[in-house]
Amino acid sequence: GENVEQHPSTLSVQEGDSAVIKCTYSDSASNYFPWYKQELGKRPQLIIDIRSNVGEKKDQRIAVTLNKTAKHFSLHITETQPEDSAVYFCAASGRGNTPLVFGKGTRLSVIA
Amino acid sequence: DAGVIQSPRHEVTEMGQEVTLRCKPISGHDYLFWYRQTMMRGLELLIYFNNNVPIDDSGMPEDRFSAKMPNASFSTLKIQPSEPRDSAVYFCASLGGTEADTQYFGPGTRLTVL
Repeated sequence: GENVEQHPSTLSVQEGDSAVIKCTYSDSASNYFPWYKQELGKRPQLIIDIRSNVGEKKDQRIAVTLNKTAKHFSLHITETQPEDSAVYFCAASGRGNTPLVFGKGTRLSVIA
Repeated sequence: DAGVIQSPRHEVTEMGQEVTLRCKPISGHDYLFWYRQTMMRGLELLIYFNNNVPIDDSGMPEDRFSAKMPNASFSTLKIQPSEPRDSAVYFCASLGGTEADTQYFGPGTRLTVL
């Protein structure tokens, strides 16, 4: 089955700097890669996702890149703000009928 | 839509008691997932349903855990008897409709077993 590895487990950045979180996956059939943000005591919420027919996707300060050959994908957050502080989870799945497999999470702290 | 609804939001019980967690998925979604989240093990998939039918329950830790989905708008996760190591946050999530890949989580139930 699918296995998703996520690094780093913790990340501290200064406000305004960029943050990068990386994930690798094992199943070459996986074709959907979402990223979730979980604030303390809250539910995981989808922030961005990418499908295997796309190499990069951006949404304001957030971008995700996908390298299918190497089986890795990354989350990039630019101009970080204190409200970006949270745990971020990557995940991977085949389309539709297979469940998401989540990474272990990255705790991002943005220091003002 | 109100999103995925879970109840109760918090549950404190004593070891050996039965616990029932409830979930109402987003209307029109045909997949429902139950997850458990702990610091040590992260987000673990326990079981998932498609069109009310359990598809994979290999993540259910023991026979003490059971889940049902009697109709498209309701699911339960039951633990009987509960143990302190079951203490965790339990999330329900649903998927389907026009956003076929996007999985939406409920607010979770924080379970504490004393």
